[in-house]
Amino acid sequence: GGIITQTPKFLIGQEGQKLTLKCQQNFNHDTMYWYRQDSGKGLRLIYYSITENDLQKGDLSEGYDASREKKSSFSLTVTSAQKNEMAVFLCASSMGQFSGNTLYFGEGSRLIVV
Amino acid sequence: DAKTTQPDSMESTEGETVHLPCSHATISGNEYIYWYRQVPLQGPEYVTHGLQQNTTNSMAFLAIASDRKSSTLILPHVSLRDAAVYHCILRGSGGSNAKLTFGKGTKLSVKS
Repeated sequence: GGIITQTPKFLIGQEGQKLTLKCQQNFNHDTMYWYRQDSGKGLRLIYYSITENDLQKGDLSEGYDASREKKSSFSLTVTSAQKNEMAVFLCASSMGQFSGNTLYFGEGSRLIVV
Repeated sequence: DAKTTQPDSMESTEGETVHLPCSHATISGNEYIYWYRQVPLQGPEYVTHGLQQNTTNSMAFLAIASDRKSSTLILPHVSLRDAAVYHCILRGSGGSNAKLTFGKGTKLSVKS
């Protein structure tokens, strides 16, 4: 088995601040994802990466940047934090994009904007 | 729009076998059925998945209807640790399959 580690677990920032979330996986998976989960709602895709140095925009990419520095890590930057952005950010990975490739999720990073 | 329909909540007692239904009448031929569960302050946990045949693993048994328009997640001998929101989702192939549609799921309560 493997594990997905998201850091930090809680991130507190000020409005307008640039904030970065990090994700590491040791599954040796090719594809990684960042989702946002708002309270009581489903997941929305922000960015995903098919392989190292690849980036694909999701439905919610505006206001965010992402970077796939190496195969095992995928970071997400909130370019200018807003109070309506307080949510849980979930990182996931899968072996590939085939429908039978399972996505595994991290525990989430909670963003609080003051 | 969610492509699956699940009951909002179900109750059970420790030791019981629980059947969680999911309806997916518009499922496409290449879409897999995935089940995840989630508890507060944690990310979704993978439970199982299948395409056409019933599947089983250490966590659950997945029964898929022959027409694939519905499935049932069967949790044998539930414990308090099985209390969670269970999500049934469909996933196809290609770039768009990164956009997982999680609905409200079924909130499973387990009494001791």
